[in-house]
Amino acid sequence: DAGITQSPRHKVTETGTPVTLRCHQTENHRYMYWYRQDPGHGLRLIHYSYGVKDTDKGEVSDGYSVSRSKTEDFLLTLESATSSQTSVYFCAIKGQGTDTQYFGPGTRLTVL
Amino acid sequence: AQSVSQHNHHVILSEAASLELGCNYSYGGTVNLFWYVQYPGQHLQLLLKYFSGDPLVKGIKGFEAEFIKSKFSFNLRKPSVQWSDTAEYFCAVKDGSGNTGKLIFGQGTTLQVKP
Repeated sequence: DAGITQSPRHKVTETGTPVTLRCHQTENHRYMYWYRQDPGHGLRLIHYSYGVKDTDKGEVSDGYSVSRSKTEDFLLTLESATSSQTSVYFCAIKGQGTDTQYFGPGTRLTVL
Repeated sequence: AQSVSQHNHHVILSEAASLELGCNYSYGGTVNLFWYVQYPGQHLQLLLKYFSGDPLVKGIKGFEAEFIKSKFSFNLRKPSVQWSDTAEYFCAVKDGSGNTGKLIFGQGTTLQVKP
C-alpha cells in the first residue's frame, strides 16, 4: 500500500459540467500520474507531475488539465465533461529510486 | 515511441492448467518491464518486474516472467493456475531512458479460471 487515496470513488455527471478528481498521497513522492482505463486500451497516461507545479502531458491529454500545488495532492480536471470521458481513472506514484509505479483505488466516472 | 502488445485478450483455463501470457515491446535498448494484475473491482498491483540481471524473474503468487531480448518479449507464466488468479493482467514497459518514469501499458489480458 503506497498510501494513495482517490476521491471521489464514484461520480456520475452530465455532459458539459466541470469535474475534478483528487489524488492524495502520504509518502512525499515526487512523481505522480493520472491514467484512464478503458476496455481494449489498457491504461493510457493523461498527465503526470514531477514536482510541485511541474506537470506535463501524456498520451491522451486533450480535454484534461491538472494541477499540483502541494506535493501530496494531484488534481485532474475535466473542464467540460463529455461522454467519451466516461472511464475509470487511476492515480499512481513512482517509488523513490525506482521506476515501479503504485496505483490508487481508482475513480469510476460516468458522464451522461 | 515505445509500444506494448499483448496477444491474448481473453484466456479461459481450468484450474491446474498452465498459463503463458504473451507480451512484446517495440524496440530494444535498456528496458524496464513490468507485469501488473487487477483483480475484479480492485486497483492494479505489481506482480513482478525486470530491470536487469537474471532474465527469469519470479514474482508474487507463483508467477514468473522471462525476458528474451532477441524477441523483444516478456511473457508471463504460471505452472498451475487457481480460480483466485481470475483477473486482468497488464504488461508495461518504461517509456524512454529519462527519469519521468512514464509507463506504456499493453491492452490487457483477461484471464478466467474455471473451478
